Amino acid sequence: GNSVTQMEGPVTLSEEAFLTINCTYTATGYPSLFWYVQYPGEGLQLLLKATKADDKGSNKGFEATYRKETTSFHLEKGSVQVSDSAVYFCALLPRQAGTALIFGKGTTLSVSS
Amino acid sequence: NAGVTQTPKFQVLKTGQSMTLQCAQDMNHEYMSWYRQDPGMGLRLIHYSVGAGITDQGEVPNGYNVSRSTTEDFPLRLLSAAPSQTSVYFCASSYSTDNYGYTFGSGTRLTVV
Repeated sequence: GNSVTQMEGPVTLSEEAFLTINCTYTATGYPSLFWYVQYPGEGLQLLLKATKADDKGSNKGFEATYRKETTSFHLEKGSVQVSDSAVYFCALLPRQAGTALIFGKGTTLSVSS
Repeated sequence: NAGVTQTPKFQVLKTGQSMTLQCAQDMNHEYMSWYRQDPGMGLRLIHYSVGAGITDQGEVPNGYNVSRSTTEDFPLRLLSAAPSQTSVYFCASSYSTDNYGYTFGSGTRLTVV
């Protein structure tokens, strides 16, 4: 079946630190991969995506590369800010038609000044 | 352009009561989905639809019904509410291709007492 595994949180960092949140997936074929972010009290927002192997998604200083060999889509940011504090969800959309997004359990990031 | 609109934002139900969570989108999206978010569990798929008149079950469908009579609306019905259905519910929609990702509503926080 299709599934997403994210590193357990919470992740606590100081401002300007480097961020990595690991995400691996299991899927039939080659899914599209996404990172969503949820700020406190809000819904989910699309952060970035990649639709094929070796694609790099990027947005707001965050980036992730679709690695087919390791079935991974790790989220990285070179210098986090307090405003990046949120819950981050990795998700996949199976390649076959007529399906829906499948999410990991989410990773809480807390950045202090 | 309102995006995905969920109503109500908050609801308290007594065990055994029924209710409908509303979800509407004005983007002419074919795909719509319902998720529930619980602490430590991420987002779990309840039901989804790939177009008017077509619905399918997700990971946790028991106790919930859906229908899709129009492209715009995708209501979620709780037939007989149970405390285990206390959760935050999110509706999401997308075009049939994955190029744009899914757009999420702001959520409905449901408490069953």
